[in-house]
Amino acid sequence: DADVTQTPRNRITKTGKRIMLECSQTKGHDRMYWYRQDPGLGLRLIYYSFDVKDINKGEISDGYSVSRQAQAKFSLSLESAIPNQTALYFCATSDTGQGPYNEQFFGPGTRLTVL
Amino acid sequence: LAKTTQPISMDSYEGQEVNITCSHNNIATNDYITWYQQFPSQGPRFIIQGYKTKVTNEVASLFIPADRKSSTLSLPRVSLSDTAVYYCLVGPFGIKAAGNKLTFGGGTRVLVKP
Repeated sequence: DADVTQTPRNRITKTGKRIMLECSQTKGHDRMYWYRQDPGLGLRLIYYSFDVKDINKGEISDGYSVSRQAQAKFSLSLESAIPNQTALYFCATSDTGQGPYNEQFFGPGTRLTVL
Repeated sequence: LAKTTQPISMDSYEGQEVNITCSHNNIATNDYITWYQQFPSQGPRFIIQGYKTKVTNEVASLFIPADRKSSTLSLPRVSLSDTAVYYCLVGPFGIKAAGNKLTFGGGTRVLVKP
């Protein structure tokens, strides 16, 4: 979805390096998410944020940190990258509301390779 | 968290109807059932969501029996472009507590053949 952008789209780095993945959205959504996908597997939630002052750990937060700089920006950092963090990373957004229609809109993904 | 089970893969042919069943025996009262579609190297895309009975949109239909322990995504008259992975999600979407329960399983790989 062009309303959710991720940079970089591809990144190759070395073990021990600090890496930051950026996500920006123009949908005006309050909620943002970071997922990781390994080859042939489903997505796993790393962190999520329901507003600028809200940060929550997901299923696999170890080794990652996030920053919600503004409503439209949500960054994922790997403080010291390791090879098993090689994966496809997706950012997603969703609207606020108590209703069930919590559709998530995904970015194009960032392919990260840690050597 | 309601665990979901769906077939790993399914093959079909153009023009046929594809039905993918997802089992979620431990579904909670406030859980909704949502399906996403993912093409290679792209993020998942929302297809349909429902709570009970039948929901239909321009893309698919979702059938949910009264006990809600399973659901079936129906894709009518598939084309080659429907080849993708389809994920079934179950969770209390829409409330804060749902955030850490938005888990995608392995999904069902659907291959549409000419």
